[in-house]
Amino acid sequence: QVKLQESGPGLVKPSETLFLNCAVSGYAISGGYYWGWIRRPPGKGLEWIGGLSHSGTTNYNESLKSRVTIWEESSKRQFSLRLNSVTAADTGVYFCVTYGGPWMAVNHWGQGTLVTVSS
Amino acid sequence: YELTQPPSVSVSPGQTATITCSADALAKQYVFWYQQKPGQAPVSVIYKDTERPSGIPERFSGSSSGTTLTLTISGVQPEDEAEYHCQSGDLSGTYPVFGGGTKLTVL
Repeated sequence: QVKLQESGPGLVKPSETLFLNCAVSGYAISGGYYWGWIRRPPGKGLEWIGGLSHSGTTNYNESLKSRVTIWEESSKRQFSLRLNSVTAADTGVYFCVTYGGPWMAVNHWGQGTLVTVSS
Repeated sequence: YELTQPPSVSVSPGQTATITCSADALAKQYVFWYQQKPGQAPVSVIYKDTERPSGIPERFSGSSSGTTLTLTISGVQPEDEAEYHCQSGDLSGTYPVFGGGTKLTVL
């Protein structure tokens, strides 16, 4: 049973960098799936941020590509998100997820962590 | 590739709620539906257009007609009040795409 748990700061100042971690248990990242991040800004729908394949390939939402990096820290059994130069528009609940299959269905969700960008 | 949902739907308890998801492409893509309650992660209620995961009540059903997908909740219960999101893959099959979400209010 895959379990995902996000961690990171709840408050980030504008123009700074957001770092989030996702602890993985019950499955090896190299074992399959895509491992990624989805967020939900207040009053809006879900937005895919980017993901990491089990073989190490990354892909990112075109609208965020210049600011986002996702990587695996295998020794820690986690994967991480870095989002540079945040603004208020980056405020929202961030979920770490697994997804895959021909239609990229989301298989597992973390509980989500609220990130607020404010000075 | 975009999925379009109505922002809100309201029904009284016991009535039937229908939530649509319109795809803008003719390429057939299966759609998945997730229910999200406040402060919680989304939960799958329908997969591959019409299939219901184990543990999901039978009152939840999905259907497809052309590029319009529909989530139907028959005999709505107060606990069904939530946001519902449709999702599919982009046309290259490399990332998930979501509709804007529909807030279901049980009056």
